[in-house]
Amino acid sequence: GENVEQHPSTLSVQEGDSAVIKCTYSDSASNYFPWYKQELGKGPQLIIDIRSNVGEKKDQRIAVTLNKTAKHFSLHITETQPEDSAVYFCAAKGATGKLIFGQGTTLQVKP
Amino acid sequence: DAGVIQSPRHEVTEMGQEVTLRCKPISGHDYLFWYRQTMMRGLELLIYFNNNVPIDDSGMPEDRFSAKMPNASFSTLKIQPSEPRDSAVYFCASSLALGVSNQPQHFGDGTRLSIL
Repeated sequence: GENVEQHPSTLSVQEGDSAVIKCTYSDSASNYFPWYKQELGKGPQLIIDIRSNVGEKKDQRIAVTLNKTAKHFSLHITETQPEDSAVYFCAAKGATGKLIFGQGTTLQVKP
Repeated sequence: DAGVIQSPRHEVTEMGQEVTLRCKPISGHDYLFWYRQTMMRGLELLIYFNNNVPIDDSGMPEDRFSAKMPNASFSTLKIQPSEPRDSAVYFCASSLALGVSNQPQHFGDGTRLSIL
C-alpha cells in the first residue's frame, strides 16, 4: 500500500543553523507533496508544497526539493529561529487521491 | 478569513457514552476530511466528503464510528459507544479540490478526546 517514511523523528539544532528533514514515498504515481508544521495544541498548518513537475521550491527560509526517480523529498529550513520549533509532517498524494502522512519530526531550535 | 472550526476543543467522557464531534469547513471548500492523530499511528484519514457526499470511508475503524455532512457548512463525526482506545485528537480539514489542481488541505485545531 501507500507509505511515507520520514526521518529523523527528532532533530535538535542551534539557532541560526540549518535543519533538513527527509521523506521517502512508495507510490510512484504520487504527484503532490505538502509539508505541514504543527505547534502544540494546534492543527497542522501548510508551510510549503511542491508538485511533481518541479524539482525545487523556495519560500524565504524554507525550501523543498523533490527527486522523483529516487522517490525522495526534503524540507530545508535555513537560519533557524526558536519559533521554528514544532512538529513537521511530510505528506504525499498517491493514486487514490488521499494524503499519506509521514510520522513527523520534532524540531527543537535551541537559542 | 475564518479557518476550519471544530468543536468541542476538548471532550472527556466515560466509555460507553456517545461522542459527537463537529466541524465547520472553510466557506466554498467542497472537500471535507476527518483525521485521527495518535502517537502510535500518526495522522490517519478516517473519511472524506465531496459536495456533502461520503466518498471514501475505508479509514473508519469500526461500525461504532459514523460521519455525516448534512450541508456544505457542517459535518459531524460520531462514536457510539465510545471506548478508551478511541482516545486521540480528531482533526477536520477542508480543501477546494482533490484533482489535478492539488489544492492544499486546511486543518482545524482539533478535538482532544479522552475516553475514561
